[in-house]
Amino acid sequence: NAGVTQTPKFQVLKTGQSMTLQCAQDMNHNSMYWYRQDPGMGLRLIYYSASEGTTDKGEVPNGYNVSRLNKREFSLRLESAAPSQTSVYFCASSELRIYSNQPQHFGDGTRLSIL
Amino acid sequence: KQEVTQIPAALSVPEGENLVLNCSFTDSAIYNLQWFRQDPGKGLTSLLLIQSSQREQTSGRLNASLDKSSGRSTLYIAASQPGDSATYLCAVNAGKSTFGDGTTLTVKP
Repeated sequence: NAGVTQTPKFQVLKTGQSMTLQCAQDMNHNSMYWYRQDPGMGLRLIYYSASEGTTDKGEVPNGYNVSRLNKREFSLRLESAAPSQTSVYFCASSELRIYSNQPQHFGDGTRLSIL
Repeated sequence: KQEVTQIPAALSVPEGENLVLNCSFTDSAIYNLQWFRQDPGKGLTSLLLIQSSQREQTSGRLNASLDKSSGRSTLYIAASQPGDSATYLCAVNAGKSTFGDGTTLTVKP
């Protein structure tokens, strides 16, 4: 019972490099989310996908792109990494937003450092 | 814009004490409120979810209340244990989720 799986767990990049963070869930959830967590700023929503085939910007989308590959997978791409993107990235999933009794489930995070 | 505040930012108590963590939010138009636990270097574990129509939820030694009209939620932990040491976050869900910065709890043996 894996839940939400994120890869990689750790990554160090140089400024200007690109990379894709992967996320997969096995709970048949419709909605998936990408957050970043920074000290003193809490978790902030980067992008979300309410259902397969749709994606929307969150609070801090600049510098990121996402792909909802299928119902299970939601990837986050940094095209040209910047030091300001050093953070811990969390993927989460839930049932459709309209179902108010469904909690979000989180992965263990990807710790990303941009030098 | 929804704002979520958690007070206190840090709390240290001796083992066995009952304690209350606070969460306040500015916009009462929410679907639900969720309390999470986060251990150092780990992801978030869901503890309790209260729907907007509910007043409280209980799970073991944890009890969460919601007063939507005043924009407040509390997480009550009974008979605290060292294993309860972690950061506790609340999230308000209204289409998009807004998180507080968390309360870091230390329970001393």
